Amino acid sequence: KQEVTQIPAALSVPEGENLVLNCSFTDSAIYNLQWFRQDPGKGLTSLLLIQSSQREQTSGRLNASLDKSSGRSTLYIAASQPGDSATYLCAVRWDSNYQLIWGAGTKLIIKP
Amino acid sequence: GAGVSQSPSNKVTEKGKDVELRCDPISGHTALYWYRQSLGQGLEFLIYFQGNSAPDKSGLPSDRFSAERTGGSVSTLTIQRTQQEDSAVYLCASSSASGGAYNEQFFGPGTRLTVL
Repeated sequence: KQEVTQIPAALSVPEGENLVLNCSFTDSAIYNLQWFRQDPGKGLTSLLLIQSSQREQTSGRLNASLDKSSGRSTLYIAASQPGDSATYLCAVRWDSNYQLIWGAGTKLIIKP
Repeated sequence: GAGVSQSPSNKVTEKGKDVELRCDPISGHTALYWYRQSLGQGLEFLIYFQGNSAPDKSGLPSDRFSAERTGGSVSTLTIQRTQQEDSAVYLCASSSASGGAYNEQFFGPGTRLTVL
C-alpha cells in the first residue's frame, strides 16, 4: 500500500533556528513529491516540487531533498521566522497513479 | 495570472439539504482535482477530470456525491442529502496535464462546509 508519513506531527522552535521536516513514503517508484504549506483557514500553497529524477530543489530559505532509495524527503528551513508558522504537508505521486497521496502534516510553530 | 478560485468560501447547511461547490481552475489547465480535508485528518482524493476524458470518480465516498466539469473549465461538486460527516474543507486543484513532467498541482483556497 502506498502511504506517506510525516514526523513529527508538531514542532515548536525559537525564531532564527534552522530546522528539518521529514516525510517518508513506501514504494520508491515515485513520479514526484510536493511540499505544501497550509495556513489556518486557508488553502494550500505549493512550496517545492521534486521530480523523481531530481535530488533536491531550492527556493529562498527552503530546500527540499529526495532520497528515493530510502523513501525519504526532507524540507529544510533556514533562519526560521514567525511567518513560517503553518502546517507543512508532503504529497507524493506514484508512477502508477496520478493521485497525490498525502501525509498528515507537521504543524510548525516559530516562537518570536 | 489568476489562481484557482472556489466559491463559496464558507457554507453552512442543514442536514438533508443539497449543496453545490464551485471551482474555477487556472486558465488552460486541463486537469482538475477535488479533495476533502476533514478535521484532524489528511487530504482525501475525491474525483479527477482530465480534458474530455471520463472522470475518475473512485474517491467519491458515496453516491450522494457527484461532480461535473462544463466546457473543460469550471467544475461543480454536488453533495445531496448532506450528512454531518460531510463537514470538511473541500479543496480544488488544477494542473497543466496529468501525464508528462511538471504536473504541479495548484490549489484553491477551499470551501469550508459545515452541516448542522
